[in-house]
Amino acid sequence: SAVISQKPSRDICQRGTSLTIQCQVDSQVTMMFWYRQQPGQSLTLIATANQGSEATYESGFVIDKFPISRPNLTFSTLTVSNMSPEDSSIYLCSAGGSGSGAQETQYFGPGTRLLVL
Amino acid sequence: AQSVAQPEDQVNVAEGNPLTVKCTYSVSGNPYLFWYVQYPNRGLQFLLKYITGDNLVKGSYGFEAEFNKSQTSFHLKKPSALVSDSALYFCAVRDRGSGGYQKVTFGTGTKLQVIP
Repeated sequence: SAVISQKPSRDICQRGTSLTIQCQVDSQVTMMFWYRQQPGQSLTLIATANQGSEATYESGFVIDKFPISRPNLTFSTLTVSNMSPEDSSIYLCSAGGSGSGAQETQYFGPGTRLLVL
Repeated sequence: AQSVAQPEDQVNVAEGNPLTVKCTYSVSGNPYLFWYVQYPNRGLQFLLKYITGDNLVKGSYGFEAEFNKSQTSFHLKKPSALVSDSALYFCAVRDRGSGGYQKVTFGTGTKLQVIP
């Protein structure tokens, strides 16, 4: 299994500013993902972070708003740009196993709780 | 396209009683199925998964799930509920497809409340 850490764990930000969330995995993983979750609700996939290439964004999410970096097989960042109160949410980093097969389990970080005022 | 349904927003069960959290899925091919648990203010924790073989899968914390292909279900069960099992539970599915890593689709979640 993969152990995933995220920084910061929570933050309160002013509208119009940007926040970068870091995700660190304790082992090399093929796939990394970023999700958004409203408290008590399901997960919405923002994008797949691809190592060495541009992230793959889901419908409704764009690179200008949520730029993602993946410089190596253990680390990724998600930036929430030009924030508004609607961006207040929990942001979760997730990583696949060391293989690339469909049976691989996704593991999750503890989440970053963001409040935009 | 793949999808997963958790028909119950909340399940209440008395401590010591058996619990079931329901999940049904839809995939074009054969599924990989997963259960996760989320405690308050925490990330998702992996409980168990069905890949192939025995339809009854055992996982962490005494949980198990039964894969039923004819009913396209993967219900989560535990023989005796604990108050500490109270949490939000997510079912997830991935189509086996032609191999390679494909996106997981998560259900809407079921809140389990175990009553002392």
